[in-house]
Amino acid sequence: KNEVEQSPQNLTAQEGEFITINCSYSVGISALHWLQQHPGGGIVSLFMLSSGKKKHGRLIATINIQEKHSSLHITASHPRDSAVYICAVPLWAGGGADGLTFGKGTHLIIQP
Amino acid sequence: NAGVTQTPKFQVLKTGQSMTLQCAQDMNHNSMYWYRQDPGMGLRLIYYSASEGTTDKGEVPNGYNVSRLNKREFSLRLESAAPSQTSVYFCASTPDRSTNYGYTFGSGTRLTVV
Repeated sequence: KNEVEQSPQNLTAQEGEFITINCSYSVGISALHWLQQHPGGGIVSLFMLSSGKKKHGRLIATINIQEKHSSLHITASHPRDSAVYICAVPLWAGGGADGLTFGKGTHLIIQP
Repeated sequence: NAGVTQTPKFQVLKTGQSMTLQCAQDMNHNSMYWYRQDPGMGLRLIYYSASEGTTDKGEVPNGYNVSRLNKREFSLRLESAAPSQTSVYFCASTPDRSTNYGYTFGSGTRLTVV
């Protein structure tokens, strides 16, 4: 069974700062997911990546398969980026779609 | 709008009562999942259905049953609710179990068992 660790658990920053959230996992995977959850809200998929880097607007996700590590970056952060960011990988080694296992999330607050 | 629809959004049950959480997707996805989210923990997989007609246990299946009614619908049943089942429940779907696609999540069902 795969295990996921995220850091930091909580992060408070000022508007405009560059944000980095880290994720590490224990066994090889075929793809890693970054998700966003607003307070009391649903879960939205931000990225799925299996190698290299992906960018969407001010969000950038990178993954290093050899080191079993991924990062989510937010450039020019804004108060509307305040949310919980969650990393997820396949539950079982070998990938497939037999469910995901999730990190505990990073609670991000961006102050004006 | 296309997506995953969960009902109800909120529910309060007494210990021992039963209920069914409904989930439907209109994206023609093959695979569907039920997760629970508890404070201080990551989401955990309860049951999943890789394709219509199949269901399998996840990490925390005890106390739950599921039915994949057709390709669109995947329901989660609590036969005799317990306070430990107080949680937020999310349904999710993905196109196919054999390849890696993104997941689409429902908006969640907040269940309290008293």
